Amino acid sequence: NAGVTQTPKFQVLKTGQSMTLQCAQDMNHEYMSWYRQDPGMGLRLIHYSVGAGITDQGEVPNGYNVSRSTTEDFPLRLLSAAPSQTSVYFCASSYSRGAGYEQYFGPGTRLTVT
Amino acid sequence: SQQGEEDPQALSIQEGENATMNCSYKTSINNLQWYRQNSGRGLVHLILIRSNEREKHSGRLRVTLDTSKKSSSLLITASRAADTASYFCATLDFGNEKLTFGTGTRLTIIP
Repeated sequence: NAGVTQTPKFQVLKTGQSMTLQCAQDMNHEYMSWYRQDPGMGLRLIHYSVGAGITDQGEVPNGYNVSRSTTEDFPLRLLSAAPSQTSVYFCASSYSRGAGYEQYFGPGTRLTVT
Repeated sequence: SQQGEEDPQALSIQEGENATMNCSYKTSINNLQWYRQNSGRGLVHLILIRSNEREKHSGRLRVTLDTSKKSSSLLITASRAADTASYFCATLDFGNEKLTFGTGTRLTIIP
């Protein structure tokens, strides 16, 4: 199994540009989530999904959209990038319909918005 | 808002010594998890302890949970250079599907 994969690894955007961060898992996990990690802030939840077709907001959802059309994929869309969205983004998945189990993390996407 | 607060923020010890880090949280929880993050990498799950458990072991790791004090500790025994990493606690509230992470403890093992 490849586990949780994220693309791209690095990305530089100009303010106002849009892009999609890709996340895929091959473990047939129901639960998937997106976090951002900023220095000194730990990880903050952006959006999560408990299964295909179901998404919900986390702690910091503004400026981000998600959809979950398949069990495997959970892309994160930045609608109009802002410098405040400069961060490292992690996708995670878990085998059951909930966050109360071991989370498997991807390697992250480092995003810089200029 | 951050649910978990790790203490200390940074810890340096000699190889072979034990390392203890603590996590405090604010609300009633379903479970608490500990993760390790090596520099520039994704997080790796270490151990999960449920609210009705008081202590759990996994290899050189020992986790305790005191729900009355809303706190948990992670003990790493006989530390190794490879244990150098950041360690995060994460809590899951009852009736909630959101895992909330703390700000982490940066552990450095000196060879």
